[in-house]
Amino acid sequence: EPEVTQTPSHQVTQMGQEVILRCVPISNHLYFYWYRQILGQKVEFLVSFYNNEISEKSEIFDDQFSVERPDGSNFTLKIRSTKLEDSAMYFCASSEYSPQGNEQFFGPGTRLTVL
Amino acid sequence: KNEVEQSPQNLTAQEEEFITINCSYSVGISALHWLQQHPGGGIVSLFMLSSGKKKHGRLIATINIQEKHSSLHITASHPRDSAVYICAGAYNTDKLIFGTGTRLQVFP
Repeated sequence: EPEVTQTPSHQVTQMGQEVILRCVPISNHLYFYWYRQILGQKVEFLVSFYNNEISEKSEIFDDQFSVERPDGSNFTLKIRSTKLEDSAMYFCASSEYSPQGNEQFFGPGTRLTVL
Repeated sequence: KNEVEQSPQNLTAQEEEFITINCSYSVGISALHWLQQHPGGGIVSLFMLSSGKKKHGRLIATINIQEKHSSLHITASHPRDSAVYICAGAYNTDKLIFGTGTRLQVFP
């Protein structure tokens, strides 16, 4: 069964460093998302991406964040200068059709620890 | 403000018990998702519904549009059902609004 994959599973970085989290969505899906979950808190939407551009972003997704689909398979989230409060689990998801009323498939997550 | 609230926050049950987890949401939802988060953190989509009822194995999800309420039921619960169950609302935008989750523990 097709699935969303994410690498790495765990990333440890120093404050101020850049990190890139990678995702491979399901191959025929057109909509891609990043979510984050700070330990002990709700899952929060970061950004959605469709047709090679950001479709919607939350207030969390500031200038420190960027997303890219560098080739036909990968979808990346870059954090330019990490802060302690960026420590969280980051989930990638994809859906075949528009997110409104369609199932999203989640990856296993990348745990980011900023020291 | 678009919100999703769940109850209870924590739930313990004996194996074979019938379990209900509740979710209420504010007006304007286009679809309601039920998700399962495993102890390792991974999230699995269980159901997406906008009306009526859906069933998959021992899991049943219902939604009442008039009351702005959805329930997830687990029949004949099993210890492997132990997980966090999350409801999330889609409000005619791309983003899902997540509830706080219900931590379920089923004991043998």
